[in-house]
Amino acid sequence: GENVEQHPSTLSVQEGDSAVIKCTYSDSASNYFPWYKQELGKGPQLIIDIRSNVGEKKDQRIAVTLNKTAKHFSLHITETQPEDSAVYFCAALDLDQFYFGTGTSLTVIP
Amino acid sequence: ETGVTQTPRHLVMGMTNKKSLKCEQHLGHNAMYWYKQSAKKPLELMFVYNFKEQTENNSVPSRFSPECPNSSHLFLHLHTLQPEDSALYLCASSQAPGRTIYFGEGSWLTVV
Repeated sequence: GENVEQHPSTLSVQEGDSAVIKCTYSDSASNYFPWYKQELGKGPQLIIDIRSNVGEKKDQRIAVTLNKTAKHFSLHITETQPEDSAVYFCAALDLDQFYFGTGTSLTVIP
Repeated sequence: ETGVTQTPRHLVMGMTNKKSLKCEQHLGHNAMYWYKQSAKKPLELMFVYNFKEQTENNSVPSRFSPECPNSSHLFLHLHTLQPEDSALYLCASSQAPGRTIYFGEGSWLTVV
């Protein structure tokens, strides 16, 4: 099956700076990559996703890039705000099943 | 409001108890899932139901018993659990297997 690795496990940034979280996957057949944000005491919420036929997607301060050749994809958050503090999970879809990374705990320092 | 509602949000049970977790989705989806979330581990898929038929059972111990009476409701029946079963149990739904999944808020389970 697919194997998804996520780095870093923790990340602290100053408010206003950018944050980047990276994931790699093992199966080139994976074709859909969502990102989830999980705030304390809540379930994961979808924040952005990308399909394998696209290299980059942007939604306001959040962007995701995909490099199919290298089999990695990244989440970019610009102009970070304290409310961006949460755990972020990447996932890869392979044969109708999602495989998740271990999560990145992002702290935005005011 | 996520469209997927889980109850109870918190549950403490002894190892000899029997309890159930409930999930309801208001998104009109056809597939429903149970995931287990433990610290420092990837989300673990436990069960998948599509059109209320179980299509996936990821080698889950029999002390966890799912039930899906219709496409909108999903239960997880718990009995004789172990302390290592303490975790956040997430229900999710999607239009179909392989489509974007949407999670509920989770049920925090503590086994004492």
